[in-house]
Amino acid sequence: GDSVTQMEGPVTLSEEAFLTINCTYTATGYPSLFWYVQYPGEGLQLLLKATKADDKGSNKGFEATYRKETTSFHLEKGSVQVSDSAVYFCARGTSYDKVIFGPGTSLSVIP
Amino acid sequence: NAGVTQTPKFQVLKTGQSMTLQCAQDMNHEYMSWYRQDPGMGLRLIHYSVGAGITDQGEVPNGYNVSRSTTEDFPLRLLSAAPSQTSVYFCASSFGTGEKYGYTFGSGTRLTVV
Repeated sequence: GDSVTQMEGPVTLSEEAFLTINCTYTATGYPSLFWYVQYPGEGLQLLLKATKADDKGSNKGFEATYRKETTSFHLEKGSVQVSDSAVYFCARGTSYDKVIFGPGTSLSVIP
Repeated sequence: NAGVTQTPKFQVLKTGQSMTLQCAQDMNHEYMSWYRQDPGMGLRLIHYSVGAGITDQGEVPNGYNVSRSTTEDFPLRLLSAAPSQTSVYFCASSFGTGEKYGYTFGSGTRLTVV
């Protein structure tokens, strides 16, 4: 069935380090792909999205490219800040009115 | 612009009690849904609605009821609370189904069943 796989956390980085969080999805159809971010004690917020192959979503310095050939949607940021500490969820749409979320990857950025 | 509002933020229930988690949105979104978030399991869909008067089951519907009498409101009812329902509950809404446009989430209700 439809699913999303993310790299296990927690991930700990120093400030200004390069971030990659891997995400792969099952290749059923041509789903929209999303990254959501959850800051401590809050609900999820949509960070970026891509709706077709080769699209690049970007927001707040984060980027992810929809790679159909590798069924991947890896999240990247060139220089992380302490304020980026959060849990990041990869998600994919489905053809039946639902969105499937990955398990989340916790990121801690230390000064 | 309030977005998606969930109440209460915290709740402690005794086993067997019932309660309703409230969710309201002011964005005229047709699609609304309820998720539960548990450590190591991500978000799991409980119930969803594609419009007023229409609801359907998600991945983990047992022990929960929903109704959608208006576009704005989508309450989640726990019929007889069990410790396994201890979780953080999120309501989400979207323009369309969320599959294309993404969701707006509420800030969550943290429920403990003792």
